[in-house]
Amino acid sequence: GIQVEQSPPDLILQEGANSTLRCNFSDSVNNLQWFHQNPWGQLINLFYIPSGTKQNGRLSATTVATERYSLLYISSSQTTDSGVYFCAVGTSGSRLTFGEGTQLTVNP
Amino acid sequence: DADVTQTPRNRITKTGKRIMLECSQTKGHDRMYWYRQDPGLGLRLIYYSFDVKDINKGEISDGYSVSRQAQAKFSLSLESAIPNQTALYFCATSDLYRGGVIANTGELFFGEGSRLTVL
Repeated sequence: GIQVEQSPPDLILQEGANSTLRCNFSDSVNNLQWFHQNPWGQLINLFYIPSGTKQNGRLSATTVATERYSLLYISSSQTTDSGVYFCAVGTSGSRLTFGEGTQLTVNP
Repeated sequence: DADVTQTPRNRITKTGKRIMLECSQTKGHDRMYWYRQDPGLGLRLIYYSFDVKDINKGEISDGYSVSRQAQAKFSLSLESAIPNQTALYFCATSDLYRGGVIANTGELFFGEGSRLTVL
């Protein structure tokens, strides 16, 4: 099956810093999503982005499907951005496969 | 109210007990899923259903069963719970259609999770 690798596994930032999270995948996909799991365990949809670039406030994401990677950008980070960020990918006819996540800690 | 509701949110039980986790959704989606998350790991698919008459095994279905009682309801059962089934369980939904066209893979929306502890 498809392999999903996220980096870095852990990231510690000071409030106000910018960061880039990466998701590499091993096969062509037609679904790619980014999720944020907050410290209470809730999974929140950030982006549905099988290709191209999207922005939502301080967050943006870019997927380069031909090169099999996606990037999640967080600008001017806040303590509420802390949690785990998951990338999940899917190919035609299959279900989503999740990466193991990036644990982000934003300190005040 | 949440679009995807799971009950119970927390449950502590003993080895050998039967447990049911329930999921209901108001999104009108055809497809429903059950995932399991273990500490420090991503999510793994247990079962999924594309409509009321369709049930499919995921990566880790052993020790679990499901029932799709209606389009809006999908329950997960542990017939005889064991300690290594202690985990956070998520229900999710996705739509068959995207932009008016049948989508092979759709955007997932998750419930708030059910934390299960088996002693």
